Amino acid sequence: GENVEQHPSTLSVQEGDSAVIKCTYSDSASNYFPWYKQELGKGPQLIIDIRSNVGEKKDQRIAVTLNKTAKHFSLHITETQPEDSAVYFCAAGSGYSTLTFGKGTMLLVSP
Amino acid sequence: EPEVTQTPSHQVTQMGQEVILRCVPISNHLYFYWYRQILGQKVEFLVSFYNNEISEKSEIFDDQFSVERPDGSNFTLKIRSTKLEDSAMYFCASSEGGVGNTEAFFGQGTRLTVV
Repeated sequence: GENVEQHPSTLSVQEGDSAVIKCTYSDSASNYFPWYKQELGKGPQLIIDIRSNVGEKKDQRIAVTLNKTAKHFSLHITETQPEDSAVYFCAAGSGYSTLTFGKGTMLLVSP
Repeated sequence: EPEVTQTPSHQVTQMGQEVILRCVPISNHLYFYWYRQILGQKVEFLVSFYNNEISEKSEIFDDQFSVERPDGSNFTLKIRSTKLEDSAMYFCASSEGGVGNTEAFFGQGTRLTVV
């Protein structure tokens, strides 16, 4: 089955800096890569996703890049703000299969 | 904005007891899922449900687990005889199409504590 590795497990940045979280996956059949933000006591919330027919997608301060050959994808947050502090999960899936999640990255943005 | 709702938000039960976790998926969604998250760990897939039957399940989803869509709106997860290691946050999710094609929306979760 699919295996998703996520790094780093924790990331501390200063407000205004950029943050990058990286994930690798093992199943070449995976073609859907969402990123979820989980705030304390809440369920995961989709913030951005990418499908394997594109290499990069951007939504305001958030961008995701995908390298299918190397089987890795990354989340980039620019101009970080304290409200970006949360746990971020990457995931991989395909077609009608389930999502396999990474272990999560705790992002802490200090004012 | 439509959302997935779960009840209760917190359930405490004694080891060996049966629990039922309830979920109301988004109304026009056809695919339903249960995931769990043990404290401090990653979100793990339990089961997916489509067209009134299980479409996929993980190794975690053994004989003590079952799912049901008893009516047109609810989607339940039953744990027959709870164990201490079942303590976790359980998330229900739903999607309009398969997860490779459409976004999966997660509920707020039910925190299950087995004592």
